[in-house]
Amino acid sequence: TQLLEQSPQFLSIQEGENLTVYCNSSSVFSSLQWYRQEPGEGPVLLVTVVTGGEVKKLKRLTFQFGDARKDSSLHITAAQPGDTGLYLCAGEEPGAQKLVFGQGTRLTINP
Amino acid sequence: SQTIHQWPATLVQPVGSPLSLECTVEGTSNPNLYWYRQAAGRGLQLLFYSVGIGQISSEVPQNLSASRPQDRQFILSSKKLLLSDSGFYLCAWSQGGGYTFGSGTRLTVV
Repeated sequence: TQLLEQSPQFLSIQEGENLTVYCNSSSVFSSLQWYRQEPGEGPVLLVTVVTGGEVKKLKRLTFQFGDARKDSSLHITAAQPGDTGLYLCAGEEPGAQKLVFGQGTRLTINP
Repeated sequence: SQTIHQWPATLVQPVGSPLSLECTVEGTSNPNLYWYRQAAGRGLQLLFYSVGIGQISSEVPQNLSASRPQDRQFILSSKKLLLSDSGFYLCAWSQGGGYTFGSGTRLTVV
């Protein structure tokens, strides 16, 4: 099974600051997905990136898939308290219909 | 629209007791179905997945089993629970692309 390493594991910043979360692997993935999870609930899909080098924007969130399709990043500009949550990256193994998840990044935005 | 139902939301069971968690999907046919377990505030560990009725793939040797008796029904079971089975269990469906997760079951084995 391929592994995804997410960093940082915990991040606490002030409202208005920018941040980047990283998701790295030594393996190639068919696609890379990012989820956000609230306590006591299931993860909710934010974005899927498929092509190496692909960049997708979702309001203040920017997602990038590495050229070699082994890594991804999530950048948030002007973070707001509503961005607080657990962010999970997940990679789809080539030829397999299943996702491997990173350990998650617990993000706290302080007012 | 597609919906996924998972129940119960919380469950407290004694060690050695059986377990049955049920997940059903509405509004889609022949979905891929998944059972994940999540440690507190951490990533998800894939337990089982199914690409069709009666087809179960096990990812981690453990005290659990899964069954898919109908196209849109996925059941997670155990004959005798262990303390280490405690956790947050999530069911999900997909037809390629992103996953849609249920709201989870918080299982505490005492």
